[in-house]
Amino acid sequence: DTGVSQDPRHKITKRGQNVTFRCDPISEHNRLYWYRQTLGQGPEFLTYFQNEAQLEKSRLLSDRFSAERPKGSFSTLEIQRTEQGDSAMYLCASSFRDRVYNEQFFGPGTRLTVL
Amino acid sequence: AQSVSQHNHHVILSEAASLELGCNYSYGGTVNLFWYVQYPGQHLQLLLKYFSGDPLVKGIKGFEAEFIKSKFSFNLRKPSVQWSDTAEYFCAVNAGAGGTSYGKLTFGQGTILTVHP
Repeated sequence: DTGVSQDPRHKITKRGQNVTFRCDPISEHNRLYWYRQTLGQGPEFLTYFQNEAQLEKSRLLSDRFSAERPKGSFSTLEIQRTEQGDSAMYLCASSFRDRVYNEQFFGPGTRLTVL
Repeated sequence: AQSVSQHNHHVILSEAASLELGCNYSYGGTVNLFWYVQYPGQHLQLLLKYFSGDPLVKGIKGFEAEFIKSKFSFNLRKPSVQWSDTAEYFCAVNAGAGGTSYGKLTFGQGTILTVHP
């Protein structure tokens, strides 16, 4: 399968613990995005990278969240000191930056439950 | 800031009925428009997209959407739904200008479509 992959698919953690998620984009894609989706809502933008540069972060993203894409390939999203409000599906997407084209391909997501 | 509004949270239809899902966006500049679908247990997939040109765009599985710039709308349509169209549908907008596009997608809250056999 050459689509976007995410690991783990499910994560259950206790409040206050740190968690890290990984996303592997489609190999030739140079843009990578993170979104968060809660029940009954559409995905909400968190941040995105072009190659290894983080180009935009949502103002909703607290200081407890950090994302990296060190070599311009896979990316990690870390949440420190998790809170119950962090429980959500975390989605990763990738695309190839093109002058007129920005179709984003989504991964299956990581479902986080904070107890 | 961009925003997207989907008119219906849950639509229930019988097979062969016609479908129209409403989507309105708020943004003053040039936009790219998308409809994504999420079938039960599966990840988001692109149904169709509009960047420029003919405002009536055709997507996969018989879906189409019409961009009406004056109404800031991008409604999704299908003449005859099937049970397999049961899914959640998301409208999304991405700001663009001069042929380029800016990264993030802004999604609507989604519409759950249930089709009864």
